[in-house]
Amino acid sequence: EVQLLESGGALVQPGGSLRLSCAASGFTFSSFWMHWVRQVPGQGPVWVSRISSDGSATRYADSVKGRFTISRDNAKNTLYVEMNSLRAEDTALYYCVRDVATTGTNFDYWGRGTLVTVSS
Amino acid sequence: NFMLAQPHSVSESPGKTVTISCTRSSGSIASNYVQWYQQRPDSSPTIVIYEDDQRPSGVPDRFSGSIDRTSNSASLTISGLKTEDEADYYCQSYDNITPVVFGGGTKLTVL
Repeated sequence: EVQLLESGGALVQPGGSLRLSCAASGFTFSSFWMHWVRQVPGQGPVWVSRISSDGSATRYADSVKGRFTISRDNAKNTLYVEMNSLRAEDTALYYCVRDVATTGTNFDYWGRGTLVTVSS
Repeated sequence: NFMLAQPHSVSESPGKTVTISCTRSSGSIASNYVQWYQQRPDSSPTIVIYEDDQRPSGVPDRFSGSIDRTSNSASLTISGLKTEDEADYYCQSYDNITPVVFGGGTKLTVL
């Protein structure tokens, strides 16, 4: 069974940093591109970042470019996102998502999310 | 960048059929696949349609997807509505500039 388990969410002050992790199991993690998607309760999902299966290619939403860094450790079956210079508008539930598409994007499995709250 | 516009809400009675639209603001809807996700309250999204009209295993055949080049939109149709279909539905697509674009979501009420 495919499982994605996020962790690391917390209450952090504006300007602070946080690292989220996503432990993957039930599939060959190193074969899939992975994404972070965030969602403010009551609003729609918003794409944050993606990383290729081998970690060599990354992309970011303009809203987080230069502040967030996505990475992965295929030996540990774990996806990460390092978040710096956090702002109130980064407050959201952060999902780890598997991309099964061969063309474009197609999110077939989502984790349950980890909550990040940026507030003083 | 393009946007995907969805109606804020739709409602229909059990047993009936409902269609949710997703209109692309620029670029052709046919250029890039459209996916549809269902999100029930307090749950993560789950995919119900991928690549415009493909249904993942486990998704009932009451769910179908299509695209219309004339209106530059995609549609999710749910027939034989059940109360369990009550949820938020999001369309999603992409282009060469932005890997992922979500629509704003449509709240389906089955009353």
